[in-house]
Amino acid sequence: AQSVTQLDSQVPVFEEAPVELRCNYSSSVSVYLFWYVQYPNQGLQLLLKYLSGSTLVESINGFEAEFNKSQTSFHLRKPSVHISDTAEYFCAVSDLAQGAQKLVFGQGTRLTINP
Amino acid sequence: EAGVAQSPRYKIIEKRQSVAFWCNPISGHATLYWYQQILGQGPKLLIQFQNNGVVDDSQLPKDRFSAERLKGVDSTLKIQPAKLEDSAVYLCASSPGLGRELFFGEGSRLTVL
Repeated sequence: AQSVTQLDSQVPVFEEAPVELRCNYSSSVSVYLFWYVQYPNQGLQLLLKYLSGSTLVESINGFEAEFNKSQTSFHLRKPSVHISDTAEYFCAVSDLAQGAQKLVFGQGTRLTINP
Repeated sequence: EAGVAQSPRYKIIEKRQSVAFWCNPISGHATLYWYQQILGQGPKLLIQFQNNGVVDDSQLPKDRFSAERLKGVDSTLKIQPAKLEDSAVYLCASSPGLGRELFFGEGSRLTVL
C-alpha cells in the first residue's frame, strides 16, 4: 500500500529565512503528487501539484516543490518565509496504477514562523 | 463559486451515542470523499463516492460507521455507537474527477466524552 512520510513533524524558522519541508512516498510507479496547506481553523487548500511535465512546480505565493523520481521525494521549499505562512502542510500522493482513485496523506508538518 | 459545505462544525457527544455529519459538495463534482483527521495525524480516507456509488470504503469501520450519497449530490456520514477514539475532525472533499484536485470543506470536529 502507498504511504507518505513527512520527515519533520514541526519546523520552526525565522521570518525571511528559507525553509524546506521534506516528503517521501513509497510508490515506485507513476504518481500524482500534491502539497496541501491548512491554516488555523480552516480546511485544507491545494498549494501545488505535480501531474506530469516539468519536475519543478510552483505556487502563486512563492513555494516550489521538485519531483525526484529516483529518490521518491517531493520536497517543498520557499526561499523566504513570512509570518502568514504559519500553517500545517500536508504532502499527498495518488497512485496512477490504481487509476489515481485514492489520495494518501502524510502526517503533516507544522511550520511556525518566528519574528 | 460556493465551496464544500459541511455541518455541524462542532459536535460533542457521549460514548455510545450516535452522530451524523452532512456534506454538500461543489456543484457538478462527481467524486466525494470523507476523511478522518485525528489530532496530530494526516487525513485518512474513510470512503469515496463516484456519483452515488462507492469506489473505496476499505478503511471505513463498517460496524459503526455508515455513509450514503443519495442522488449523487449531498452525503451524510453516521457514527453509531460512537467510541472515544472517534474524536477527530471529519473532512468532506469533492473533486471534478479522478486524479484531479480535491476541494475540502472546513470540517466537522467531533468530541466523544
